[in-house]
Amino acid sequence: DTGVSQDPRHKITKRGQNVTFRCDPISEHNRLYWYRQTLGQGPEFLTYFQNEAQLEKSRLLSDRFSAERPKGSFSTLEIQRTEQGDSAMYLCASSTGSEQYFGPGTRLTVT
Amino acid sequence: KQEVTQIPAALSVPEGENLVLNCSFTDSAIYNLQWFRQDPGKGLTSLLLIQSSQREQTSGRLNASLDKSSGRSTLYIAASQPGDSATYLCAVRGSQGNLIFGKGTKLSVKP
Repeated sequence: DTGVSQDPRHKITKRGQNVTFRCDPISEHNRLYWYRQTLGQGPEFLTYFQNEAQLEKSRLLSDRFSAERPKGSFSTLEIQRTEQGDSAMYLCASSTGSEQYFGPGTRLTVT
Repeated sequence: KQEVTQIPAALSVPEGENLVLNCSFTDSAIYNLQWFRQDPGKGLTSLLLIQSSQREQTSGRLNASLDKSSGRSTLYIAASQPGDSATYLCAVRGSQGNLIFGKGTKLSVKP
């Protein structure tokens, strides 16, 4: 399978803990996006990388969120001091320009 | 600010019916429009991509149209099947590359 992969698929954490998610894009896709989706809503954009450069960040990405894409390959999204409002599906997508291809998502539950 | 609206929010039809899902957007300056399918608890599967210069795209039983001037797109599903039951999301791509999504239409096809 050469699609976008995300790890872990599910994460349950206690409020105040830090969590990190990983996304592996389709090989040779230079653009990588993170989105967040809550129940009954469409995904909302968080941040965007072109190669290793983080070019765009949404206002949704508070100071507790940080994302990296070292060497322009996989990406990580870290949430520090998690809050119950962070509970959501975190989706990663990659593209070469037009069509975006999504991974299966990481479901985060903060208790 | 670009806003995407999908109507109806939910739709239930008997198997075999043809149906139309609607998507509208407020800013006609889009690069492309993408239709996705999302099964419960899963990631997004790209169905059709329409570039801003195109009027429609077809894939199997699916046909998507785009009218930029009126800010509308429709997804036509022919001869619906129970396996088509899912949430269908419409998303437009703006100048920054990120997708802006509607809330989706939840489709249920009854056998």
